Amino acid sequence: GENVEQHPSTLSVQEGDSAVIKCTYSDSASNYFPWYKQELGKRPQLIIDIRSNVGEKKDQRIAVTLNKTAKHFSLHITETQPEDSAVYFCAASLSGGFKTIFGAGTRLFVKA
Amino acid sequence: DVKVTQSSRYLVKRTGEKVFLECVQDMDHENMFWYRQDPGLGLRLIYFSYDVKMKEKGDIPEGYSVSREKKERFSLILESASTNQTSMYLCASSSSFGTGRNTEAFFGQGTRLTVV
Repeated sequence: GENVEQHPSTLSVQEGDSAVIKCTYSDSASNYFPWYKQELGKRPQLIIDIRSNVGEKKDQRIAVTLNKTAKHFSLHITETQPEDSAVYFCAASLSGGFKTIFGAGTRLFVKA
Repeated sequence: DVKVTQSSRYLVKRTGEKVFLECVQDMDHENMFWYRQDPGLGLRLIYFSYDVKMKEKGDIPEGYSVSREKKERFSLILESASTNQTSMYLCASSSSFGTGRNTEAFFGQGTRLTVV
């Protein structure tokens, strides 16, 4: 079955710096790759997603890149702010199916 | 605004009890999911359903069952609760627009279950 690995598990950056979180997936049939942000005590919420027919997608300070050949995708946050502090999850979904598998999460700390 | 509502925020149950966790969504989504969230392990899929009366095992179905008698409701059942099922349980739903394309999952607020 699909397996998603996420690194690092914890990331600490200074306010204004960039943060990068990386994920790899095992099933080449996966075609949808969302990223979720979970603030303390709250539910996960989608922040950006990418489909397998696109290599990069950007939304203001966040961007996601996808390398299908290498089966990895990354989240980039630029000009980090304290409110970016949260747990971030990557996920992968199989083509033709509805099963969404999540990575283990990255706890991001942005120090003011 | 999508709403996914879980019946309880906190539950405390005794070992061996049968436990029901209820989830309701109001957006006519086809897909519904149950995950458990544990520190360092992320969100692990227990069961999912892509249609009424349909269910599929996720990665950790042992000790759990599910029921989807109506489109808007997806129930997680712990047949005989054990202490290792103490966890945060998250329900989610998503639409496939009838095309099979996976889309954003909307999560409930979570149920923190403690089995003593």
